[in-house]
Amino acid sequence: GAVVSQHPSRVICKSGTSVKIECRSLDFQATTMFWYRQFPKQSLMLMATSNEGSKATYEQGVEKDKFLINHASLTLSTLTVTSAHPEDSSFYICSATVAGGPGETQYFGPGTRLLVL
Amino acid sequence: GQSLEQPSEVTAVEGAIVQINCTYQTSGFYGLSWYQQHDGGAPTFLSYNALDGLEETGRFSSFLSRSDSYGYLLLQELQMKDSASYFCAFSGSARQLTFGSGTQLTVLP
Repeated sequence: GAVVSQHPSRVICKSGTSVKIECRSLDFQATTMFWYRQFPKQSLMLMATSNEGSKATYEQGVEKDKFLINHASLTLSTLTVTSAHPEDSSFYICSATVAGGPGETQYFGPGTRLLVL
Repeated sequence: GQSLEQPSEVTAVEGAIVQINCTYQTSGFYGLSWYQQHDGGAPTFLSYNALDGLEETGRFSSFLSRSDSYGYLLLQELQMKDSASYFCAFSGSARQLTFGSGTQLTVLP
């Protein structure tokens, strides 16, 4: 089946630093990738939709200059949290849809747990 | 606006059947999905309904009524490993998912 990986799985950083999270589709091409954020005991909230070769579409309330998304190829999207602060501590999860496949199925990565001190 | 409502918690015993309901409100609806998430893990896809009716996948079934903006996930022959959070979600035009708040299912021995 379709596999999505994320790296790193866990990161601890100091306030003010930037953190890059990679999301890769391992055995399929993903024209569209999505980035979600999940706080403890809460639901997943869509942050942005990332399309290969074009600018990401951000959801209302998500700062595009703080959460930089780059979708350089059909198998890789990156999320960079710039100047991270403790309130950015969360579980960041990416997902991908299979190009040409059923649009209803999204394959999720294992998530990246970010802790900003 | 867009919203989904589902119960926050459900408890059942091993071997039982449990139904998790989901009502939604949205202007553009393309289908209702269900995802399972264990603590600390990523969501995994369970089922999807684009049309009215019942979809069955092993012990899990999902139902949709578009006219009622309502769906449910039915879990049969519950096992301890089914203890997890279950999310309903609807798809938008760009395939993005809007998730409900999640239902924490606890299966008791």
